[in-house]
Amino acid sequence: DTGVSQDPRHKITKRGQNVTFRCDPISEHNRLYWYRQTLGQGPEFLTYFQNEAQLEKSRLLSDRFSAERPKGSFSTLEIQRTEQGDSAMYLCASSHPRGLQETQYFGPGTRLLVL
Amino acid sequence: AQTVTQSQPEMSVQEAETVTLSCTYDTSESDYYLFWYKQPPSRQMILVIRQEAYKQQNATENRFSVNFQKAAKSFSLKISDSQLGDAAMYFCATQGGSEKLVFGKGTKLTVNP
Repeated sequence: DTGVSQDPRHKITKRGQNVTFRCDPISEHNRLYWYRQTLGQGPEFLTYFQNEAQLEKSRLLSDRFSAERPKGSFSTLEIQRTEQGDSAMYLCASSHPRGLQETQYFGPGTRLLVL
Repeated sequence: AQTVTQSQPEMSVQEAETVTLSCTYDTSESDYYLFWYKQPPSRQMILVIRQEAYKQQNATENRFSVNFQKAAKSFSLKISDSQLGDAAMYFCATQGGSEKLVFGKGTKLTVNP
């Protein structure tokens, strides 16, 4: 089994530009999560999908953020009109539920720097 | 709402010694899970150990074990026979009725040779 993969690993952009990140979960994992981690902090939940349905969104996910998982496999996270405060590590995780909750496996993250 | 507090921003341990990382949490859920994740420098987060709150027995994984005190809402991680490769940020997390993980701010562990 390959792990969770994310692309790109690093992104530098100018304020006001749009960026899009991709996450490929572990195959057959039907749950996919996005988290944001700023320097010196633990990850904070942004949103999650079960198959293609987006089931929960954090209030951290402003209108400039949108996430999709159109075929229930990979997911994309887009940030429009980036701001310097968006600079962070964006983590993706996936899980395969066998019970109420199951372990989430994380990808390497996409580090975003907004200049 | 769930919260997780890690009161030790940094800890250090000598190689081969034992260290304990502290974590307290608050949750209104009756059924929840607790986790310790490890994040080495510039590398991805990996699961260290997991505890189901309904289980009284403390989880163990090789050199890693937890001390789960449900009434006190405490979930500490003990690392025995510390190795250089254990150096990392360690995050405590809880997962309740919602699927999301709620993390603490982390403890940076340094292992001295």
